[in-house]
Amino acid sequence: QVQLQESGPGLVKPSETLSLTCTVSGGSISSYYWSWIRQPPGKGLEWIGYIYYSGSTNYNPSLKSRVTISVDTSKNQFSLKLSSVTAADTAVYYCARDTRVFDYDSSGYLYYFDYWGQGTLVTVSS
Amino acid sequence: DIQMTQSPSSLSASVGDRVTITCQASQDISNYLNWYQQKPGKAPKLLIYDASNLETGVPSRFSGSGSGTDFTFTISSLQPEDIATYYCQQYDNLRTFGGGTKVEIK
Repeated sequence: QVQLQESGPGLVKPSETLSLTCTVSGGSISSYYWSWIRQPPGKGLEWIGYIYYSGSTNYNPSLKSRVTISVDTSKNQFSLKLSSVTAADTAVYYCARDTRVFDYDSSGYLYYFDYWGQGTLVTVSS
Repeated sequence: DIQMTQSPSSLSASVGDRVTITCQASQDISNYLNWYQQKPGKAPKLLIYDASNLETGVPSRFSGSGSGTDFTFTISSLQPEDIATYYCQQYDNLRTFGGGTKVEIK
């Protein structure tokens, strides 16, 4: 059974860089896309970006200038860095597996988040 | 960017009721849409993928339909354990979630 676990500081100062790591167990990080998603307290879900195990990335345009996602296949981990944080970045941060499946009916790919970490609350405050 | 608009934002229904949630995309996304259930303090759980396909192990009272810009999620007979917030999510262009629909028991 695939499991994901987020780790990192729970408190970050304004203007600093938020750094989180997601460790994947029970399966290989290879051959999959991996995403970061966040949820401010009492609000909805916001996709931050994804990385393919090979290292290619794609980010939410609204966060692109501040986000970097990287992968370490030797450790079965991927990481998030979000720079110049403000109070608006306070949220529960989730990592998730972004599974890609070939659909023979449409000859295209389906994507869905099928495994999630439990989430970690990061508060931005001085 | 593709925007996803869910409605209603909340609803209250009785056990056994049929519950319907809609999700509208700002442009044609074919059937590239998923539905998730999130219970308080928990990570979201995949229920429906590709607009209408039930994830393995998910009860058959949950269903999804639609294509293009208009999608529907239905619980055929609401159960107490279905109390949660439901989100749609598109993957035609990057990823975007709808704003969520909180389902409560009347």
